[in-house]
Amino acid sequence: DAKTTQPNSMESNEEEPVHLPCNHSTISGTDYIHWYRQLPSQGPEYVIHGLTSNVNNRMASLAIAEDRKSSTLILHRATLRDAAVYYCILRDVEEYGNKLVFGAGTILRVKS
Amino acid sequence: EAQVTQNPRYLITVTGKKLTVTCSQNMNHEYMSWYRQDPGLGLRQIYYSMNVEVTDKGDVPEGYKVSRKEKRNFPLILESPSPNQTSLYFCASTPTWTEEGYTFGSGTRLTVV
Repeated sequence: DAKTTQPNSMESNEEEPVHLPCNHSTISGTDYIHWYRQLPSQGPEYVIHGLTSNVNNRMASLAIAEDRKSSTLILHRATLRDAAVYYCILRDVEEYGNKLVFGAGTILRVKS
Repeated sequence: EAQVTQNPRYLITVTGKKLTVTCSQNMNHEYMSWYRQDPGLGLRQIYYSMNVEVTDKGDVPEGYKVSRKEKRNFPLILESPSPNQTSLYFCASTPTWTEEGYTFGSGTRLTVV
C-alpha cells in the first residue's frame, strides 16, 4: 500500500481557510487520493477524492500537485464543527480488496 | 437517506459469550467491510466482502467471523469474545471497483470483561 505523510496536528481560527497538506511520493498511476474526517465519537466521513485534477464539492476543495506527489485539502471557512481528525488515503481502484488504509491523520483544532 | 446502520451502538459482554454485531446498508453496494479502532493503532480492517458469498480476511481477522448471505447485510460474529477484542467497531460500504468514497456506520463500542 502506498503511504501518505501528514502533520500530526494543525490549528486554525474560526471563519478562516485551512490548508491540510499530504505527501504521497510513492503514489501510483491508479491511486486515487481520498480524504476522510472523523469527528469525536463518530465514524469516518468521506470528504472528497481526486485523481489528477483539482476537485471541489460542498464540503471542501482538493488541490493535487502536478506530479501527484502531494495534495492539499482546503476548508474554505473553518467552523468549530470542522474540528476532527483528517485522513489522507490512497486508494488503488484496481487492487482487489478495495482497502482503505488509515494512518494517524491530522488533528485539526479550530479556535473561536 | 443513504446510510450504513450498525447495532448495537454499545455492548458490554463477558468473555466467551458469543455475540453478533449487525451491519446493514441501503445503497445497494457490493463491497462491505469491518474495521476496528484502538487508541494508538488507528483503524484496522478485520474482514471485507466484495459481494454476496465472497468474503476475505483483512489485517486483523483473528477471533472474528463474518457472513454475506444478502447484499445489504454483513454481520460481524465473535464466537468467543476476549478482553483484547474490546474496541470501537465500524462497518463501511462502497460500490466495488470504483473510486467512490466509503460510507461508514456510527460505530459499535464493545467492552469484553
